Amino acid sequence: QKEVEQNSGPLSVPEGAIASLNCTYSDRGSQSFFWYRQYSGKSPELIMSIYSNGDKEDGRFTAQLNKASQYVSLLIRDSQPSDSATYLCAVNSAGNQFYFGTGTSLTVIP
Amino acid sequence: GAVVSQHPSWVICKSGTSVKIECRSLDFQATTMFWYRQFPKQSLMLMATSNEGSKATYEQGVEKDKFLINHASLTLSTLTVTSAHPEDSSFYICSARTGVRETQYFGPGTRLLVL
Repeated sequence: QKEVEQNSGPLSVPEGAIASLNCTYSDRGSQSFFWYRQYSGKSPELIMSIYSNGDKEDGRFTAQLNKASQYVSLLIRDSQPSDSATYLCAVNSAGNQFYFGTGTSLTVIP
Repeated sequence: GAVVSQHPSWVICKSGTSVKIECRSLDFQATTMFWYRQFPKQSLMLMATSNEGSKATYEQGVEKDKFLINHASLTLSTLTVTSAHPEDSSFYICSARTGVRETQYFGPGTRLLVL
């Protein structure tokens, strides 16, 4: 079992819709959770971090964490074509190992 | 804040030569730096983790004698690809973080093409 799992996609949503990206992790003791965005040919950039159960909002982005279900998600409201990228979920495990998922490719269709 | 730079951004070299890539944290001290490699349309692959002043920890399958990592200060880590071959051509990305729970911040990456 991989430490962090994401659906590879591709996920396609129309412009203006909500894009929902999901991630599960295996280490129940994990403490820190991150979402990165990676455009084609570029390095990853941090979108959000979340440490506590519940929702954390930043502009059009909302991260949701459920430690009991070992699940973290990212919602993108009012999706724009510029949001088209690969989204990487990352988890800092109880042993302070940093694990990335393989990423979900998102395409926002104008 | 939290800016990480890499140099060079692009390098083309002949097979058999060595290439050094620098990774710098510009506005914070990085206790740990990471080196990744990414082939086209593939996931990030962690190569090694380096802590300032100590030897790097390499992931399984990564040759430590081929990929030399030095983390001489809290703001600089270098990756040297020794005797590069065409199969080493890839996108090399470093990241840095300040503490064990802290976010990793990525550099812009270095594209290596070995002819």
